[in-house]
Amino acid sequence: DVQLVESGGGLVQPGGSLRLSCVGSGFIFNSFGMNWVRQAPGKGLEWISYISGSSDKIYYADSVRGRFTISRDDSENSLYLQMNSLRVEDTAIYYCGKDGGSTWYQGGPQEDWGQGTLVTVST
Amino acid sequence: DIVMTQSPDSLAVSLGERATINCKSSQSLLYSNNKNYLAWYQQKPGQPPKLLIDWASTRVFGVPDRFSGSVSGTDFTLTITSLQAEDVAVYYCQQYYLTPRTFGQGTKLEIK
Repeated sequence: DVQLVESGGGLVQPGGSLRLSCVGSGFIFNSFGMNWVRQAPGKGLEWISYISGSSDKIYYADSVRGRFTISRDDSENSLYLQMNSLRVEDTAIYYCGKDGGSTWYQGGPQEDWGQGTLVTVST
Repeated sequence: DIVMTQSPDSLAVSLGERATINCKSSQSLLYSNNKNYLAWYQQKPGQPPKLLIDWASTRVFGVPDRFSGSVSGTDFTLTITSLQAEDVAVYYCQQYYLTPRTFGQGTKLEIK
């Protein structure tokens, strides 16, 4: 079975940094594009970043571009999100999501999701 | 950005009846492979989203056949025939055609 387990969330002050991790198992990690999607408390879903299976395509939502960096270490079956210059409005549950394939147009949507990790940005 | 607009925002349906949720995209989601890049998700409280339908009308393995998706141009529909108690959730559409992948605002489905 596919499993995705996020970690690294917590309480951070505005302007601070956090690094989220997502470890995958039950599939060939480097064969799939991966995403980060977040959900503010009581709100809807917001896609924030994608990295292709070969890491040659990386995309960001405007709301995080220049502050967040997505990366992956296929030797560790891990996906990362480095979050800098955090703002109060970045408070959310952060989910990692696995696509159905390696590339943007071949892969399909997020078909498997982790349970999420909560990031709280507050003084 | 492609804007995804769902309707209604909330819906109450009796058990055993049909529920219909609509999603309109601000532009075509049809790629040159003749596939519409539209997904439907179900999210229950305290849980991550669950993929129900991809490519606008392909039910994911294991999803009950009372769930179906359809498309007409830029109008997409999720239909749940014979509503069950376990279908109470928030439903989201998402386009994965262009970056950024955008979601609809969600439709809260309840039992009448």
